[in-house]
Amino acid sequence: QVQLQEWGPGLVKPSQTLSLTCTVSGGSISSGGYYWSWIRQHPEKGLEWIGYIYYSGNTYYSPSLESRVIMSVDTSKNLFSLKLNSVTAADTAVYYCARTGLLTGYRFDFWGQGALVTVSS
Amino acid sequence: QSALTQPPSASGSPGQSVTISCTGTSNDVGGYNYVSWYQQHPGKAPKLIIYEVNKRPSGVPDRFSGSKSGNTASLTVSGLQGEDEADYFCNSYVSRNNFVFGTGTKVTVL
Repeated sequence: QVQLQEWGPGLVKPSQTLSLTCTVSGGSISSGGYYWSWIRQHPEKGLEWIGYIYYSGNTYYSPSLESRVIMSVDTSKNLFSLKLNSVTAADTAVYYCARTGLLTGYRFDFWGQGALVTVSS
Repeated sequence: QSALTQPPSASGSPGQSVTISCTGTSNDVGGYNYVSWYQQHPGKAPKLIIYEVNKRPSGVPDRFSGSKSGNTASLTVSGLQGEDEADYFCNSYVSRNNFVFGTGTKVTVL
């Protein structure tokens, strides 16, 4: 059973960079066939896909966020990371990492428990 | 990319059925059979319950079913149980490696 867990600072100041890491256990990021996504959920609101990364380092980002997003992967540590720069209060949200099956219907089948990130001075 | 449109709320009594719609465009729901549905209980991460419009992952009860017609996908929960009270979100693949979620529907079991 694949498990994902997000970790990183829970408080970020406006204009600074939000950084989160997702550790994957129970499966190898390098096994292929899956992209590794970041998804966020604003308080009391819906879900927003941020982007995903393949183990090779290929990335695809949401057009609405791509100017501020960088994702990376460390296959030796079986983890992937998110950086979102120039944050504002509008970036306050719960951030989830999730496995995305490309050969299995573009589904988000395993999720982390979520990490609340608050942007405030 | 605008969010897919879902009704804010739906409800039903135990044992009844409830159907949730998810309306998009020909660029997302109507253009691909990559519609998935997620159940989210308060304070928890979303859980996949339907993928590729109408397929259920292992372990998901067959009370959950999905369908699609044109630009609208639907999730039906039959034989409502108390544990089905949750938020439900649809999701669709959009062209060029992009995804869009629905606005979410809160299901209440009366």
